[in-house]
Amino acid sequence: DIQMTQSPSSLSASVGDRVTITCQASQDIRNYLNWYQQKPGKAPKLLIYGASNLEAGVPSRFSGSGSGTDFTFTISSLQTEDIATYYCQQDDNFPYTFGQGTKLEIK
Amino acid sequence: QVQLVESGGGVVQPGRSLRLSCAASGFTFNSYAMHWVRQAPGKGLEWVAVISYDGTNKYYADSVKGRFTISRDNSKNTQYLQMNSLRAEDTALYYCARSPELLRRIYYFDYWGQGTLVTVSS
Repeated sequence: DIQMTQSPSSLSASVGDRVTITCQASQDIRNYLNWYQQKPGKAPKLLIYGASNLEAGVPSRFSGSGSGTDFTFTISSLQTEDIATYYCQQDDNFPYTFGQGTKLEIK
Repeated sequence: QVQLVESGGGVVQPGRSLRLSCAASGFTFNSYAMHWVRQAPGKGLEWVAVISYDGTNKYYADSVKGRFTISRDNSKNTQYLQMNSLRAEDTALYYCARSPELLRRIYYFDYWGQGTLVTVSS
């Protein structure tokens, strides 16, 4: 199985800050990497697919990059409504696997 | 608009069975792969199973293989998860999720339901 290692596991930042989360795959997954946002008590929401493609309706302050084994998710200017847990997920091979999540808090 | 509504969760004793359903609306159900993803209380996301748009291909997580069966009825726009031999570690919120499928490749989860809670306890 492909292991997804996400870091950090938690992050505290101020409104307006640039926030970066990394995700590393245990083997080459090309660009089959997606990012989700989960707010407390809610279902996950797709933000980025194919490593760098912004899902329709998602604000442009969210972005993703990377290929192979190393990926980055960025929020260019943190807003209060971005408080959530973020997960990376690979869809290169079954079983599909998620990172352990990054809990983002406002400082 | 796309809607996925799960049902069938509840409290069940270890070793017993439960069947979850996911009713879909707002899109052409028989054009999409469908998944079950679960989240234990306070924990992260775990993919459970997938079924291709036409039911031909099914894949499972090792943790449920041989105990859970995914199926779909495209005439009813509904997918199912039959869960047998339930264990305490199967306790979780079970989400139904949709995936685009193109040329037999199944992609990301683009829509999710709100989940149905399964609690396995004596």
